[in-house]
Amino acid sequence: DSGVTQTPKHLITATGQRVTLRCSPRSGDLSVYWYQQSLDQGLQFLIQYYNGEERAKGNILERFSAQQFPDLHSELNLSSLELGDSALYFCASSVEGRYGQPQHFGDGTRLSIL
Amino acid sequence: EDQVTQSPEALRLQEGESSSLNCSYTVSGLRGLFWYRQDPGKGPEFLFTLYSAGEEKEKERLKATLTKKESFLHITAPKPEDSATYLCAVQARLGNQFYFGTGTSLTVIP
Repeated sequence: DSGVTQTPKHLITATGQRVTLRCSPRSGDLSVYWYQQSLDQGLQFLIQYYNGEERAKGNILERFSAQQFPDLHSELNLSSLELGDSALYFCASSVEGRYGQPQHFGDGTRLSIL
Repeated sequence: EDQVTQSPEALRLQEGESSSLNCSYTVSGLRGLFWYRQDPGKGPEFLFTLYSAGEEKEKERLKATLTKKESFLHITAPKPEDSATYLCAVQARLGNQFYFGTGTSLTVIP
């Protein structure tokens, strides 16, 4: 058990809808990362937050947004969903936002768009 | 363009048969190279971080090494419980972004 909690584990919705994925980092970790994992592309880095502030941004679509709250949990919001957004979404956390910190991953949210 | 390439895509070994997994990378300044293990239905599990060429780290039957262009994950006398997908990732200086390879799926046969 990595200590990172993601909810829900599974989510099924339709095209055009909006969903929110939630992540609670390990106790004491200040930095949160979001990733998308699809069969054909592997893990794609979306965004990183450190203590509530955006630290790094990857290939995150404009339809997607994220935030980290004062209690350090994070939410990833996906809107105007398309079939291609079906994937596993992982959250990870690290102690600090310093470079090269090992990340600890949750078990993901599987999003299926019908 | 920053990228990470892992080879082979899949590897089948007999128990006790040592081998190496390769991770080649091109990145605009390396902040760190990471190895993870991922079991089916689970998130990646952190194994090692390497920061500079020449660095080596070991954990049980695994040893990771780093050069300026690639990293190797050496598996010595593997056991069936080592079966998993092994992922390599780099953090780039430019934008502090992370790039993952698509992994090597390792199967160790008893």
